[in-house]
Amino acid sequence: SYVLTQAPSMSVAPGQTARISCGGDNIETKSVHWFQKRPGQAPVVVVHDDSDRPSGIPDRFSGSNSGNTATLTISGVEAEDEADYYCQVWDGSSDHYVFGPGTQVTVL
Amino acid sequence: QVQLVESGGGLVKPGGSLRLSCAVSGFTFNDYFMSWVRQAPGKGLEWISYIRSAGSYTNYAESVKGRFTISRDNANNTLYLQMDGLRADDTAVYYCARESNVLGRGVFDLWGQGTVVTVSS
Repeated sequence: SYVLTQAPSMSVAPGQTARISCGGDNIETKSVHWFQKRPGQAPVVVVHDDSDRPSGIPDRFSGSNSGNTATLTISGVEAEDEADYYCQVWDGSSDHYVFGPGTQVTVL
Repeated sequence: QVQLVESGGGLVKPGGSLRLSCAVSGFTFNDYFMSWVRQAPGKGLEWISYIRSAGSYTNYAESVKGRFTISRDNANNTLYLQMDGLRADDTAVYYCARESNVLGRGVFDLWGQGTVVTVSS
């Protein structure tokens, strides 16, 4: 089955840029979605289909996908962005949905 | 109000069974694929099952295949997850999630708040 990889954690100062990577074999051929998960809350999609942002999501969230790596970028990080971030794809060959292991983002 | 509300979680012994429900309101339930996703303590999100709109097709992660059964009652706007042969590693918060029918496959655009399942003797 398809496997996604993510770094377990990262730290970023307020106002700086956080880049969260998601690795997968030829991931550029898949549509990648990103979910924000805060403790005790339900996940929220912040970017879908590689780079599209749902209504209500701040424009500091953006995404890209090329080669074997997809990236979620948070520009001008704010304290409220502290959360776990998961990349996710639908694997058409197995008809399964696959989540990455998640990256914990700490705002210093 | 557009929402998903899970229920049915609790404490169960290894080998036992539990049936989770997800009550849907505020949208046309039978227009959407639905999934169950869980998060074990200290772990990441894990998709475990989905069901298509009419309920005729389902799929499961290998970790629950043969033990869990997803179903839906479109007349009563409810999604279910029957969990049999429960093991300690099934302990998790279980979320139901709606898959968008206008965006790409896998865009879970609406989630419930989750229900806790604890498997312990």
